[in-house]
Amino acid sequence: AQTVTQSQPEMSVQEAETVTLSCTYDTSENNYYLFWYKQPPSRQMILVIRQEAYKQQNATENRFSVNFQKAAKSFSLKISDSQLGDTAMYFCAFMKLRATSGAGSYQLTFGKGTKLSVIP
Amino acid sequence: EAQVTQNPRYLITVTGKKLTVTCSQNMNHEYMSWYRQDPGLGLRQIYYSMNVEVTDKGDVPEGYKVSRKEKRNFPLILESPSPNQTSLYFCASSLSETDYGYTFGSGTRLTVV
Repeated sequence: AQTVTQSQPEMSVQEAETVTLSCTYDTSENNYYLFWYKQPPSRQMILVIRQEAYKQQNATENRFSVNFQKAAKSFSLKISDSQLGDTAMYFCAFMKLRATSGAGSYQLTFGKGTKLSVIP
Repeated sequence: EAQVTQNPRYLITVTGKKLTVTCSQNMNHEYMSWYRQDPGLGLRQIYYSMNVEVTDKGDVPEGYKVSRKEKRNFPLILESPSPNQTSLYFCASSLSETDYGYTFGSGTRLTVV
């Protein structure tokens, strides 16, 4: 089974600074998708950014960008100009074709999360 | 407003008393899924459904049932809840499994005593 590892249970960053959250995954697949989700104290799960493995270009969404290193199986999230509203749990997630089900069935696996605190 | 609606948001129940957590989406999404979130474990998939009448087990299906009789609804049923099912539950939907975004419900905090 594939695993998703987030090695930093907690992190903090000063407001307006940049922070990078780490994520590594283990797979023998070549085609898959990677995601970062944000969960603020409200509990809502919010998609931050998505990356297809076949794309070499790193995805960006405003202040959020990823460093996707396919050979190293690494998918880190960089948050620039951190804001107080960025305080949340961040989950890295990996999606690949499910091995035991019919065609078109994908499996989404989450890491254990990194708790990010933005300090005023 | 496009959304996934879960009810209830909080529920305390006793061991063995059957309960249902409802999930409804108004986006005509084909794919729906249930997850449970536990401290230090992230989110783990319980069941998923690729379309009406098509459901399958996720990683932790034991003790749960689901049904998908209508496209918009995907209830999670605990026939005989036990304390180890105390958790935060999320329903999610998307147009397809590889769609850009999964839309999550607001979560249901379940406590089984």
